[in-house]
Amino acid sequence: QVTLRESGPALVKPTQTLTLTCSFSGFSLTSSGMCVSWIRQPPGKALEWLALIDWEDDKYYNIEMKTRLTISKDTSNNQVVLTVANMDPVDTATYYCARIVIAETGTNFGLDVWGQGTTVTVSS
Amino acid sequence: HSGLTQAPSASGTPGQRVTISCSGSTSNIGSNSVNWYQQLPGTAPKLLMYDNNQRPSGVPDRFSGSKSGTSASLAISGLQSEDEADYYCAAWDDSLNGAVFGGGTQLTVL
Repeated sequence: QVTLRESGPALVKPTQTLTLTCSFSGFSLTSSGMCVSWIRQPPGKALEWLALIDWEDDKYYNIEMKTRLTISKDTSNNQVVLTVANMDPVDTATYYCARIVIAETGTNFGLDVWGQGTTVTVSS
Repeated sequence: HSGLTQAPSASGTPGQRVTISCSGSTSNIGSNSVNWYQQLPGTAPKLLMYDNNQRPSGVPDRFSGSKSGTSASLAISGLQSEDEADYYCAAWDDSLNGAVFGGGTQLTVL
């Protein structure tokens, strides 16, 4: 059974760096085709894709936030970490991590398993 | 805004067929497959459709997906009250080298 769980601070101050951890089980990020993405959702607003890391350690970022985001993986502990620098109140959101599988054929199987999300509020 | 475009709301009565549209460009929907997600109130999104028209295990066949050119659609037939949710389309964008979501469509079952 594949599961993912997000963890991190519920409250951060403006200008601080947010560090979120996605702990997963049921798959390995060293297996071909396996990827983990981060997505966020401000209160009452739409989903916003943030970043993706794949089994080859390739990293992809939301172009509008690229300078502030860093994604990394710890395969021995089955974790993916996302840092968001220079947090602002507009970054208040629920942050999700989710697995995505890409077949060798290129078929994108979608974000098939999501964590429950962790809510982060940015306020002084 | 460089995401996909969806109508903010849609509605239908029980038993009816409803279609939700998603518009993009040649760099995203025109070049890559579309996935759809359903988000019930207060819950994490759930994968509803992948690779344009493929249903994950457990998704009823009342849900169907299609893609043509730079647009995609999600159809729900035999609408049920439990289908009341927000629906999001998503695709990879080759120009942005990243994924993009639509703004979401809130479906109301009248």
